[in-house]
Parts: sequence; structure tokens; C-alpha cells
Amino acid sequence: GDSVTQMEGPVTLSEEAFLTINCTYTATGYPSLFWYVQYPGEGLQLLLKATKADDKGSNKGFEATYRKETTSFHLEKGSVQVSDSAVYFCGTDTGRRALTFGSGTRLQVQP
Amino acid sequence: DTGVSQNPRHKITKRGQNVTFRCDPISEHNRLYWYRQTLGQGPEFLTYFQNEAQLEKSRLLSDRFSAERPKGSFSTLEIQRTEQGDSAMYLCASSDRGDTEAFFGQGTRLTVV
Repeated sequence: GDSVTQMEGPVTLSEEAFLTINCTYTATGYPSLFWYVQYPGEGLQLLLKATKADDKGSNKGFEATYRKETTSFHLEKGSVQVSDSAVYFCGTDTGRRALTFGSGTRLQVQP
Repeated sequence: DTGVSQNPRHKITKRGQNVTFRCDPISEHNRLYWYRQTLGQGPEFLTYFQNEAQLEKSRLLSDRFSAERPKGSFSTLEIQRTEQGDSAMYLCASSDRGDTEAFFGQGTRLTVV
């Protein structure tokens, strides 16, 4: 089955720092890839998604590029804000029934 | 529409008791999913409904677990004879098609003592 590996957290950054959260996957076929975010006290929300190789998903200043050759989908943001503090989940969507999530990476941004 | 609603938000129960959780999906979403999330882990798939039909169950869903979605609207997840290992956050999500965004509820946190 599918599996997703994310860098362990917590990741602690100062405001306006550059963010990278690494994510690699194994999957059969050609899955879509996604990042979900969970803010404190809230449910999971889709942050961005890419459906095929070399596609770039972007939202709220975050970006991730679907790299088939390295089976990666790293999340980046050029300048983080305190409000970005949350837990970020990478995952695959093979179009079957369920999504496969990584274990999550907690981001803490300090003012 | 207020999104996916789950009740209760928290449940503490004694080992061996039965518990039932409820999920109200977004109106007109025909797909409904249950996931379980333990501390420090991502959500793990439990089961999936399309309308009232339960189409897939994970091996994580032991015979103590049962889920229903009568009339294709709200869903319930029941755990019989709870064990300490059942302590987790139980998440519900809904979508209107398989290739669109799944919207998650805030979850029900179960603690078995």
C-alpha cells in the first residue's frame, strides 16, 4: 500500500524565515499529492494539491512541486508568519476510497 | 453550511463499555469517511460510505467496531467493549466526489480508562 514519510518536528522558526518541510512517498500508480494543515483547535484543511508530475500546488504563499523522479512533494514558504503555526500533513490520493497521510510536522513560528 | 460536525467532542469511558460517535457531513456530500488519529501520527483510514452503502473497511476496523449511515446522511461509529488501545481522535470527513477536497470535522477524542 501507499506510505508517506515526513520530516519530524517540531520545526521552530522565527517570523519571516524560509520554510521547507520534506515529504517523500511510495505509491502504486500515479497518485495525487496533497498537504493538509491543522491549526490549533480546528479540523484538517486542504492547503494545496498537485495531480500529476511537475505540477506545482500553491496556496497562502505555500508551494509544493510534484517530483516523480524523487517521489517527493516538499512544502515551502518564503516568509513564515506566526499565524502559520500548525501541524502540516503530507499525503497521497490514489483516487480510491481513502487518503494516506504522513505522521505530520508541527511548525512553531516565533515572533 | 457550518461544515462537518462531530459529536461529542470528547468522551471518557471505562474499559469494556460501548461508545457511539456521530458525524453530520456537509449537506449533499455523498461520500463520508472515518479516520482514526493517535498522538503524533497522521489520520488512518477506517471506513468509507458512498450514500448509505459502506464500500470499504480497513483492517484496522476490528469486529468491535461498526459504522452506519442510514439514509445516506449522518453517520455513527460504535465501538463495543472498548479497550485502552482504542483511545484516539476519531475524525470524520465528507466530499461530494472522490476527486474533490475532503472536508474534516474537528473530531471526537476518546479516552478509555
